[in-house]
Amino acid sequence: DVKVTQSSRYLVKRTGEKVFLECVQDMDHENMFWYRQDPGLGLRLIYFSYDVKMKEKGDIPEGYSVSREKKERFSLILESASTNQTSMYLCASRTTQQGSYYGYTFGSGTRLTVV
Amino acid sequence: AQSVSQHNHHVILSEAASLELGCNYSYGGTVNLFWYVQYPGQHLQLLLKYFSGDPLVKGIKGFEAEFIKSKFSFNLRKPSVQWSDTAEYFCAVKKTSSASKIIFGSGTRLSIRP
Repeated sequence: DVKVTQSSRYLVKRTGEKVFLECVQDMDHENMFWYRQDPGLGLRLIYFSYDVKMKEKGDIPEGYSVSREKKERFSLILESASTNQTSMYLCASRTTQQGSYYGYTFGSGTRLTVV
Repeated sequence: AQSVSQHNHHVILSEAASLELGCNYSYGGTVNLFWYVQYPGQHLQLLLKYFSGDPLVKGIKGFEAEFIKSKFSFNLRKPSVQWSDTAEYFCAVKKTSSASKIIFGSGTRLSIRP
């Protein structure tokens, strides 16, 4: 069974801390995505990566950065955590192989609370 | 820019009632359409998808959706809901290019009264 694994289910961090959220997929997918999910706002795209060492800004990249040094791992970094970054963070991956299902496989999410 | 609208933010139904959740998108070109579901405490999972062909698509757990191109709509339906359908439902759209990212709606929370 294909898997997207997010390293932490719950995280509590202090304002100003540097925070790393890790995501690993075992499906050899080219594309990986980071979303945040907030009530009434749905899923908003933070950053995505088409392939190793490639990254593109999504709709709300401010205050975040990403790293993709290996194909299976996509890290989201909060350079200096703030309370408005308290949210559920979802990682997803997708293959771009012709004839494949082009939808996402999601991880179970990391609920981050910044205090 | 593409956008997806889900007009119902919270829907409350009794068991055995019929369900229809609205979804409209703004992109004028060829699209792929999805409905994802998130049960309480679980990760998002695919409910059904439309890529081409028959505009009426059937998904898991008795759900179906109809793509009406002229209305830019992809409404989700189920003839008789169960308590276990309590979840949040997200409509999503992407351009048919394989490299396009998926745009999600704001979600509809469905609560089923037992």
